[in-house]
Amino acid sequence: GEDVEQSLFLSVREGDSSVINCTYTDSSSTYLYWYKQEPGAGLQLLTYIFSNMDMKQDQRLTVLLNKKDKHLSLRIADTQTGDSAIYFCAETSIYNQGGKLIFGQGTELSVKP
Amino acid sequence: EPEVTQTPSHQVTQMGQEVILRCVPISNHLYFYWYRQILGQKVEFLVSFYNNEISEKSEIFDDQFSVERPDGSNFTLKIRSTKLEDSAMYFCASSAGHSSEQYFGPGTRLTVT
Repeated sequence: GEDVEQSLFLSVREGDSSVINCTYTDSSSTYLYWYKQEPGAGLQLLTYIFSNMDMKQDQRLTVLLNKKDKHLSLRIADTQTGDSAIYFCAETSIYNQGGKLIFGQGTELSVKP
Repeated sequence: EPEVTQTPSHQVTQMGQEVILRCVPISNHLYFYWYRQILGQKVEFLVSFYNNEISEKSEIFDDQFSVERPDGSNFTLKIRSTKLEDSAMYFCASSAGHSSEQYFGPGTRLTVT
């Protein structure tokens, strides 16, 4: 079945760039998403990329997609302490009848001052 | 900005009892979802709902689970006879289209004792 994998932890210093990586197995993935979850809160949609794109930039966020290697990354420029959270990668396919998202296990980003 | 809301934020129930988790999706959205996250595990898809019927369900979504859109605004998840292993955070989500971005509510933490 489809699977999405992420590393569990990332620690960076304030002001540095963070790069969170994700790999997926579904060759028919159509959309790939990044969600942010702060402690005790729900899942906040950060950005997404369509599978026919290589890159998408949105202010401090840059998403890179390597479809051949099924690898997705999220780069956060000038990381701030407020960026500390768990970041989830998720994918879906237009061939999924019900539009379900498949999530990775989440990467906990810790930003140190 | 429109958002998905969920009630209650925390529900404690005894094993064998029925619970109903409630969600109000974003008003012009047509697709509705339930996911759950057991503590320390991945966010898992439960069910998707469109046009007053289930579009897709996972193997987790057995006969103990049901969903309903009782009126034009609410979307509910019922668990008929709760088990200890149903303890999790339950997230509702909605989207405008089949493969459109899914917006998540803050979640209901269900604790079964």
